[in-house]
Amino acid sequence: DIQMAQSPSSLSASVGDRVTITCQASQDISNFLNWYQQKPGKAPKLVIYDASNLETGVPSRFSGSGSGTDFTFTITSLQPEDIATYYCQQYDDPSPTFGPGTKVDIK
Amino acid sequence: VQLQESGPGLVKPSETLSLTCTVSGYSIGNGYYWGWIRQPPGKGLEWVGSIFHSGHTYDKSSLKSRLTMSIDTSTNQFSLKLYSVTAADTAVYFCARVARYSGTYSGAFDIWGQGKAVIVSS
Repeated sequence: DIQMAQSPSSLSASVGDRVTITCQASQDISNFLNWYQQKPGKAPKLVIYDASNLETGVPSRFSGSGSGTDFTFTITSLQPEDIATYYCQQYDDPSPTFGPGTKVDIK
Repeated sequence: VQLQESGPGLVKPSETLSLTCTVSGYSIGNGYYWGWIRQPPGKGLEWVGSIFHSGHTYDKSSLKSRLTMSIDTSTNQFSLKLYSVTAADTAVYFCARVARYSGTYSGAFDIWGQGKAVIVSS
């Protein structure tokens, strides 16, 4: 299976701050990389698909970039409702795998 | 489109965990892949398996010997059976739809059920 690493594992930022999360795959996965937001007690929500495409209905302050093994997820201006854990997920391999998650909270 | 998991919340060790996902707002016989993802308490997400409307399945290799998935287009449901469970199978189990963009499957899970908590304990 392809292994996914995320950093940091957690972060605290102020409202309005720019937040960046990185995800690294153990091998080249082209752009087959998705990002999810999960709030406590809720199902994950798809935010970015295919590395850089914003899912319908998701605010434009969310963005993604990267290809190959290194990917970045950015929130340009952190809002209180963005408090959640964010997961990357690859699907280059027939067995999709998720990163360990990054917990984002407000400073 | 909405998905809803159902099944027992408590399963004894060595027994079989059985869950069903009921899809509303879309006829699953018309296409799409459907998947199962689980999340142990306080931990991250783990893909379990996916099934196509035709019945073709993809299973997580480490679970393959214990896992059966099926789909019933007449009831608009798909199901998971995990045999010989242990405490390590305790998790919230989510069913989800595999997204399709411009007619191509993307591998992203775009619609999720609310999740079903399953505890394996005697």
